[in-house]
Amino acid sequence: DVKVTQSSRYLVKRTGEKVFLECVQDMDHENMFWYRQDPGLGLRLIYFSYDVKMKEKGDIPEGYSVSREKKERFSLILESASTNQTSMYLCASSGTGKLKQFFGPGTRLTVL
Amino acid sequence: KNQVEQSPQSLIILEGKNCTLQCNYTVSPFSNLRWYKQDTGRGPVSLTIMTFSENTKSNGRYTATLDADTKQSSLHITASQLSDSASYICVVSAGTNAGKSTFGDGTTLTVKP
Repeated sequence: DVKVTQSSRYLVKRTGEKVFLECVQDMDHENMFWYRQDPGLGLRLIYFSYDVKMKEKGDIPEGYSVSREKKERFSLILESASTNQTSMYLCASSGTGKLKQFFGPGTRLTVL
Repeated sequence: KNQVEQSPQSLIILEGKNCTLQCNYTVSPFSNLRWYKQDTGRGPVSLTIMTFSENTKSNGRYTATLDADTKQSSLHITASQLSDSASYICVVSAGTNAGKSTFGDGTTLTVKP
C-alpha cells in the first residue's frame, strides 16, 4: 500500500523558533509537495519538488524553505516561526506525468 | 486569477439519500479536474481524476461529471453512508506543471442516521 508519512501529527512551537517538518514517501515518486490548509482558504501550495535537489516556489513560499536531498524525503523549514504560520501542513507526492497525488496525514502546527 | 468555487459550503443528508456537490472553476488553460475526500484530521484521498476529454468518471458510489464548456463539475454520491461524512475538495490544474493546481475550499458533508 502506498504511503506518505509526516514526522509529527501535532506540533507546538514558539515564535522565532526554527521548525522542521519532514515528509517521507515509499512510492519512488519524483514529485513532492508541501501545502498548508486553512479554513476558508483551501489548500495552498508552498513549494514543490520534481526531483532531488530541485524545487519550485508555489503560491505562498514566503517564510518557508525546503530541502530535498533524497528522493523519498522532502522537508519544509520555517526559519523563524511566526503566529500566522499556525496551520495544518500537508505533504503529497505523485509520479512523473501522473495526476494522482497521495497525501500524508498532515501536521497541525501551532505557533505561540 | 485562477479560482475554484465549491457549493454548498456544507450539507446535511440522511443515510441512504443521494446528494450532488458542485464545483465551478475559472482555471486556464485547463488540464485536469480532481475530486478528493478528506476525513477529519486526515490528508485528502483521491476519488476521481478527469481530463479535458472526459465528461464522467465513477468510483464506486461516487460519480463525477465535467462540462468543460461551462467550466463546471459535479460529484454525485449515491446511497450515502455514515462513512461518507467528510470534506470533499475539488482541484483544478492548469497546463502540465505539476505544481499549478487550484484547490476549492471544499464542501463539508454530514450524513446522519
